[in-house]
Amino acid sequence: EAGVVQSPRYKIIEKKQPVAFWCNPISGHNTLYWYRQNLGQGPELLIRYENEEAVDDSQLPKDRFSAERLKGVDSTLKIQPAELGDSAVYLCASSPGGIDYGYTFGSGTRLTVV
Amino acid sequence: RKEVEQDPGPFNVPEGATVAFNCTYSNSASQSFFWYRQDCRKEPKLLMSVYSSGNEDGRFTAQLNRASQYISLLIRDSKLSDSATYLCVVNEGNNRLAFGKGNQVVVIP
Repeated sequence: EAGVVQSPRYKIIEKKQPVAFWCNPISGHNTLYWYRQNLGQGPELLIRYENEEAVDDSQLPKDRFSAERLKGVDSTLKIQPAELGDSAVYLCASSPGGIDYGYTFGSGTRLTVV
Repeated sequence: RKEVEQDPGPFNVPEGATVAFNCTYSNSASQSFFWYRQDCRKEPKLLMSVYSSGNEDGRFTAQLNRASQYISLLIRDSKLSDSATYLCVVNEGNNRLAFGKGNQVVVIP
């Protein structure tokens, strides 16, 4: 079974440019999460989807970040415009519905803003 | 105050020795707890869930102390391959997991 697939693995952009990350969750997993992990820190939730509905986006900086999961499967996370402080690893995770058994992360996208 | 607090370390452990570390959590209503392992430049992976009665998986033992609001992880007979960061994770409710900074473990030959 394929795991959570993310692309690209690495991205380097200049500040003020837009950037987008893509995630394909494990087949059948209704819940999808985007996390951001800064160096030396644990992951922090940005947004959670139940199917195509964003049910928890309270920690998403909405002035520059947006996300979508149009058909309840793949998801994209966008930053426009990027700032130097956005440099981090962006992790996507999915779960079958509940989190009592934890969830599975993708390998992440490492973003560097210069 | 952060939801989940961990001492980042590093914890330098001789090969074959035992290492243990705790994390504290602030939300007394939290119901489920996990330990994740994260290797350098890799994604976090679920190591084990933490049950109220404590649980063991091979050389790894997890304990939960609800009264004092901490969970612990103990690794016996440390292997070089145990070198990683161990993230303490707490279910905040609403299907949201809160992660600590992690305990970095370095097993020394």
